[in-house]
Amino acid sequence: GQQLNQSPQSMFIQEGEDVSMNCTSSSIFNTWLWYKQDPGEGPVLLIALYKAGELTSNGRLTAQFGITRKDSFLNISASIPSDVGIYFCAGQLHKAAGNKLTFGGGTRVLVKP
Amino acid sequence: NAGVTQTPKFQVLKTGQSMTLQCAQDMNHNSMYWYRQDPGMGLRLIYYSASEGTTDKGEVPNGYNVSRLNKREFSLRLESAAPSQTSVYFCASPAPNYGYTFGSGTRLTVV
Repeated sequence: GQQLNQSPQSMFIQEGEDVSMNCTSSSIFNTWLWYKQDPGEGPVLLIALYKAGELTSNGRLTAQFGITRKDSFLNISASIPSDVGIYFCAGQLHKAAGNKLTFGGGTRVLVKP
Repeated sequence: NAGVTQTPKFQVLKTGQSMTLQCAQDMNHNSMYWYRQDPGMGLRLIYYSASEGTTDKGEVPNGYNVSRLNKREFSLRLESAAPSQTSVYFCASPAPNYGYTFGSGTRLTVV
């Protein structure tokens, strides 16, 4: 099946830092999505990207849909403590593929001690 | 996680026991999905239902069965639990602008 490689697997942030994570795929998607998961909760959608080359922001978050449709990145600017959590990228094909999502392995964001 | 409700939130089973995870959505969607989440592996699709009365295997269906009881409800059954099925399970249904709305998860431990 399709595989999404997400990196880094984990990172430490210091308040005020900008952080970046990315996702690459062996095949194309029609939509890229970025989710955040807090402890004990299900993933919550942060940003959805609908076409190749699209750059979209949601507050301090910026994400881009790669031109090849096989990659995406997420940037968090001026990080704050509540940015801690697990971030997942997901790719979606539509209709013919049952609208199924394929997820990356996640990036765990932690606070520097 | 408004719209998708999962029960139970936590469960401990002995190897060989059976159980059913329940999921209900009140968004009147045709599609529903069951995923499992394991450290470093993201969420992997177990089974999905594109519409009432239909179910299809996902990436990791072995050891599971599902029932789409009606449009609202999609249950996941473990007939004979194994330690490898220790995981966090999420039910999902389509969100308004692509992607899914997820339930809050069921944390299952098989000992």
